[in-house]
Amino acid sequence: EPEVTQTPSHQVTQMGQEVILRCVPISNHLYFYWYRQILGQKVEFLVSFYNNEISEKSEIFDDQFSVERPDGSNFTLKIRSTKLEDSAMYFCASIGRTQAGGYTFGSGTRLTVV
Amino acid sequence: SQQGEEDPQALSIQEGENATMNCSYKTSINNLQWYRQNSGRGLVHLILIRSNEREKHSGRLRVTLDTSKKSSSLLITASRAADTASYFCATDGLAGTALIFGKGTTLSVSS
Repeated sequence: EPEVTQTPSHQVTQMGQEVILRCVPISNHLYFYWYRQILGQKVEFLVSFYNNEISEKSEIFDDQFSVERPDGSNFTLKIRSTKLEDSAMYFCASIGRTQAGGYTFGSGTRLTVV
Repeated sequence: SQQGEEDPQALSIQEGENATMNCSYKTSINNLQWYRQNSGRGLVHLILIRSNEREKHSGRLRVTLDTSKKSSSLLITASRAADTASYFCATDGLAGTALIFGKGTTLSVSS
């Protein structure tokens, strides 16, 4: 069954450093998303991406965040200057033209900012 | 906000019993979805119910949707220890728009 792949599975970074989280969505999917989940809290929407541009973003997705689809397969989330409160699980998801199967989520990247 | 909000927050049952989780949301939706998350893992899609559907089944799962009350329920019948996980409802509006998740119900099934 097709999967959304995320790398790395765990990243530890120092406060103020830039991090790039990587995702390979399902190849024929059209819509891509990043979500985050702070430990013990709910899953929060960050940004959606369609047709090579951001289609929707939340208040969390401020100027420190950016997304890119550099090569037609990878979908990246960059955090320019990490803060302690950026520590969370970051999930990538994708969906095709129809939503019959729901969104397919990756297994996540655990980001720890120290 | 069209957040889904689940209740109860936590549910503990014995194997073989049924588990019912409820979800309420605030605004009109295109569809409502239920996801499962094992501790520290990713989200797994369980079932999607469209706004014009009232009930849907998938294996041991039964989902109902009442758009007049803006609520949904997820029933897991004959629960197993392996069903232990957090369950989230999520709503969206138009195709391609973001899913908005509720806070989840943590289900614990003991053998």
